[in-house]
Amino acid sequence: GAGVSQSPSNKVTEKGKDVELRCDPISGHTALYWYRQSLGQGLEFLIYFQGNSAPDKSGLPSDRFSAERTGGSVSTLTIQRTQQEDSAVYLCASSSSIGGQGHFGDGTRLSIL
Amino acid sequence: QKEVEQNSGPLSVPEGAIASLNCTYSDRGSQSFFWYRQYSGKSPELIMSIYSNGDKEDGRFTAQLNKASQYVSLLIRDSQPSDSATYLCAVNRGNQAGTALIFGKGTTLSVSS
Repeated sequence: GAGVSQSPSNKVTEKGKDVELRCDPISGHTALYWYRQSLGQGLEFLIYFQGNSAPDKSGLPSDRFSAERTGGSVSTLTIQRTQQEDSAVYLCASSSSIGGQGHFGDGTRLSIL
Repeated sequence: QKEVEQNSGPLSVPEGAIASLNCTYSDRGSQSFFWYRQYSGKSPELIMSIYSNGDKEDGRFTAQLNKASQYVSLLIRDSQPSDSATYLCAVNRGNQAGTALIFGKGTTLSVSS
């Protein structure tokens, strides 16, 4: 597609459930980033992929969070045993070069009841 | 010290005035600097990038970088009501390949007609 695609756009789930968020980057973009943004807050870095490897996963808040990227393309962010504090907008960005500007998807709005 | 700091605002300017947005960063090794605009409920959109000391102009926007002072700014000339948004400063984390963008919390700009 022309831009970064994220799905689902909205997700409501009960506390304790697992969720999977998907990001389909711009074709050919080798770098992929996950961020989250809580209400009224800035973007919090979670993890960065270069190809299928994750050189920087320092932003993952706990071991309940994991991410993978396959085929140098689609990435999945998984949150296990969700907590209410996980409620946020999860944003994915891709770029064609390391450290280059990121093009963002529309995000997944995650609400934990 | 936070990695990237911005005044939260709101910064209020009348239509046609110059809006000046400022950002400081802590990592002296940072090499790439970006300004994003984020409308309420939308994902960030890249508007300027700057890599060298000095000024870079693009239409009504001018980015200014001073690495010695660890300071980057964005000037918006002839401000329009449509410029009303939150402006996010982003800095790459270090001077090595494989780094992620770190964002400030953003400055809210309000342009009154």
